[in-house]
Amino acid sequence: AQSVTQLDSQVPVFEEAPVELRCNYSSSVSVYLFWYVQYPNQGLQLLLKYLSGSTLVKGINGFEAEFNKSQTSFHLRKPSVHISDTAEYFCAVSDAGRRALTFGSGTRLQVQP
Amino acid sequence: DADVTQTPRNRITKTGKRIMLECSQTKGHDRMYWYRQDPGLGLQLIYYSFDVKDINKGEISDGYSVSRQAQAKFSLSLESAIPNQTALYFCATSDSLSRGGQFFGPGTRLTVL
Repeated sequence: AQSVTQLDSQVPVFEEAPVELRCNYSSSVSVYLFWYVQYPNQGLQLLLKYLSGSTLVKGINGFEAEFNKSQTSFHLRKPSVHISDTAEYFCAVSDAGRRALTFGSGTRLQVQP
Repeated sequence: DADVTQTPRNRITKTGKRIMLECSQTKGHDRMYWYRQDPGLGLQLIYYSFDVKDINKGEISDGYSVSRQAQAKFSLSLESAIPNQTALYFCATSDSLSRGGQFFGPGTRLTVL
């Protein structure tokens, strides 16, 4: 079985400050890792994904994430956030694509002016 | 036109009623999924289908059933709705190995009174 833990349910941050949203996973097999964003009253949109290769992956809207196998983490970062980044962010894992995704409980990013 | 569409977008119903939520996709993906989202719990998998003849239960399938009418259509039914099925329901699709992640519909907000 696999699981995902998002350590922070809410992260308040000021505009133009850096942010890190934490994600840890557990799995006994090779994994694919994903970050999704959900803006208010919308569905989920893929931000970025790690399948294999380079551990640093870049996504849309200036976000990036680093896969750390030894720490079983896949933290999401952005060097300078905007008001428009206010949303809920979900980390998800799948066992190398063979089954459905397992989602974390989400982190609400609140960007303040 | 949206790649993944869900109907209806909003539904209010009464306890004991039968409800069907429909999902259609134009992405040509063979895999389809139904999730429910509750505040603070992230997304939980209800059912998933890897092709028209392959349907699998997810984490929380009790009280739900599905039908994969065609590669592009996947319906979720609540045979006898109860208030704790009030939630936001999402349909998603992916290709065979999910290397591209899953693509989500806009969601259906269901309220059971």
